[in-house]
Amino acid sequence: DQQVKQNSPSLSVQEGRISILNCDYTNSMFDYFLWYKKYPAEGPTFLISISSIKDKNEDGRFTVFLNKSAKHLSLHIVPSQPGDSAVYFCAATKGYGNKLVFGAGTILRVKS
Amino acid sequence: DVKVTQSSRYLVKRTGEKVFLECVQDMDHENMFWYRQDPGLGLRLIYFSYDVKMKEKGDIPEGYSVSREKKERFSLILESASTNQTSMYLCASSQSRPGNYEQYFGPGTRLTVT
Repeated sequence: DQQVKQNSPSLSVQEGRISILNCDYTNSMFDYFLWYKKYPAEGPTFLISISSIKDKNEDGRFTVFLNKSAKHLSLHIVPSQPGDSAVYFCAATKGYGNKLVFGAGTILRVKS
Repeated sequence: DVKVTQSSRYLVKRTGEKVFLECVQDMDHENMFWYRQDPGLGLRLIYFSYDVKMKEKGDIPEGYSVSREKKERFSLILESASTNQTSMYLCASSQSRPGNYEQYFGPGTRLTVT
C-alpha cells in the first residue's frame, strides 16, 4: 500500500518556466513533509519541507504548497534551470520517532 | 557539513555470497537508516537504528540484517546475496530531535548480484 504517491514518473519543462511536481498521500496522520532532490550516482539531498500547520513554505526559487483537505502537496520551481534536472522525491512522516515514507520519485528534465 | 560515507560506490557479487555494506557518519547523529532505491519504487526502508546496538525492521527487511556496534557506523549485511537484491543501496542519518526530520544521505552503493 503506497501511502505517498507521485503519479507523474517524469516531467519536461523549458528553461525559465515553472516546474510543478505533485505528491499525494493517504495517511491523515502524516504531519510533516519533505522534498528531496537526487542526481544520478549521488545520494538524495534535502530541498525543502513543510509542517502540516502551514500551507506554504518558500525558499528562493522553491515553494512547497500543502492542501491537507485534499491530502496533496506540490513543489514549484520558478524559474526552472537546467541544473534542476534530477529526480525529486516527496516524503512524509507522522512526526518525532517515526520514519520517513517516500514516494516513487519524478524525473524532472529542464530543457535549455 | 554532515558527511555520510559508504564503503563502496560499485560492488559486484555472486549469488550466495555474504555481502557487507558499511556506512559512517561524522555528525554524532543518533539515527541511521538503510534504504534501497529501485526504478518506479522510490526509496524503501530496509532497517533503521535509533541507538547503538538497537535495530528496527523497516518495510523490506527479508534477506538483510544490520549491525550497529558504534554510534557512527551502521552496517548492512546480505546473508546470501540473490539477483533480486541488485539495487542502489543508500545509507542515511539524522538527529533525534523533535521537529527535525531531515535525513542526510550517503552517495549510495550500486550493488550487482550475478
